[in-house]
Amino acid sequence: GAVVSQHPSWVICKSGTSVKIECRSLDFQATTMFWYRQFPKQSLMLMATSNEGSKATYEQGVEKDKFLINHASLTLSTLTVTSAHPEDSSFYICSAQVGGVSEAFFGQGTRLTVV
Amino acid sequence: KQEVTQIPAALSVPEGENLVLNCSFTDSAIYNLQWFRQDPGKGLTSLLLIQSSQREQTSGRLNASLDKSSGRSTLYIAASQPGDSATYLCAADNYGQNFVFGPGTRLSVLP
Repeated sequence: GAVVSQHPSWVICKSGTSVKIECRSLDFQATTMFWYRQFPKQSLMLMATSNEGSKATYEQGVEKDKFLINHASLTLSTLTVTSAHPEDSSFYICSAQVGGVSEAFFGQGTRLTVV
Repeated sequence: KQEVTQIPAALSVPEGENLVLNCSFTDSAIYNLQWFRQDPGKGLTSLLLIQSSQREQTSGRLNASLDKSSGRSTLYIAASQPGDSATYLCAADNYGQNFVFGPGTRLSVLP
């Protein structure tokens, strides 16, 4: 299957700093990428949908100014958590699809801990 | 709005047993349904993808079925092994809009 690489796999940062998470499709072009968040013992919740070359669409309750998403190319999307707070500590996972309607391939996830 | 539920929330079985995990979704207008496995602290591993036109898919000891009309999918695991212990998630693909995930079933296979 296709490979999606997410980096870093884990990160610890101080409260108030910003953290960037990268999601790359290694062997295919992803027109659409999705960002999910998972709190402990809960299922994945969609944060935003990112289409290459356009602004991301955020789900209700997700602050677009806090979670900056950039999808500058067909193989890379980034999520930047700005001015991170301890409540932002979570597991973040990206997924990518070919053509927008197909099997989804997921990154390995990033565990963010804000101290 | 699509909602996905999974039963049971947790399951503990002895090694060698066959088992069934259930997934229900409220909106039958899905493009496909996907089953995933998630190990603690790790990302998702795709197990099986069932397109809306299909009834089932098989991979090794895994078999997934899809009944769109009733809004149900099942994941059947044959001859379970301790290495199968993980959380199993189903997700409904709403025509490329996004995936809606169920809460997962936490499986423990005891040696």
